[in-house]
Amino acid sequence: QQQVKQSPQSLIVQKGGISIINCAYENTAFDYFPWYQQFPGKGPALLIAIRPDVSEKKEGRFTISFNKSAKQFSLHIMDSQPGDSATYFCAASNDYKLSFGAGTTVTVRA
Amino acid sequence: ETGVTQSPTHLIKTRGQQVTLRCSSQSGHNTVSWYQQALGQGPQFIFQYYREEENGRGNFPPRFSGLQFPNYSSELNVNALELDDSALYLCASSQGGLGLDTQYFGPGTRLTVL
Repeated sequence: QQQVKQSPQSLIVQKGGISIINCAYENTAFDYFPWYQQFPGKGPALLIAIRPDVSEKKEGRFTISFNKSAKQFSLHIMDSQPGDSATYFCAASNDYKLSFGAGTTVTVRA
Repeated sequence: ETGVTQSPTHLIKTRGQQVTLRCSSQSGHNTVSWYQQALGQGPQFIFQYYREEENGRGNFPPRFSGLQFPNYSSELNVNALELDDSALYLCASSQGGLGLDTQYFGPGTRLTVL
């Protein structure tokens, strides 16, 4: 049972473009929403995270938008670079465990 | 400050065998969580250890067991291996005890079951 639904499964963006990844959840007890970046053969690396009392958080080229009433959150990657080509996972948690989305493979074309 | 390390990097086993994977948590972290990541999927939570006690468990059978040591390093043991156990096994460490804090992942152990 997927507690966090992520879309799209993959996307291709030109260098300098904007990548947008969306996630939706059902469990209103979730209180922490991180995004992870994973390169092939590596473990996930924390990119940015948000708590539900905030509607937006920006760190460099990465922005999380959070809509508590819709139970949705999204990651925007601005000015996408070839080095951003990776798989991105949204996640949500309450208590002790992270529930991950299925992942989005982002390809940035030079 | 050292990050999360895992060993071995890769492992090949045959069906029915047993395997032990190891994880050293990041300096200052007292909580370790284990995840299974099948190819092309997101990580799935197996269990978490806090101060040597199991703190929570996901939907995995009892043949998946773990241990945490006084220095907060951890082991994941899988008995009676099945083909579907082939996956990347990730360890994540965090600070703060009961309840979730930011989890930092290791590079994983790639287990192949033949």
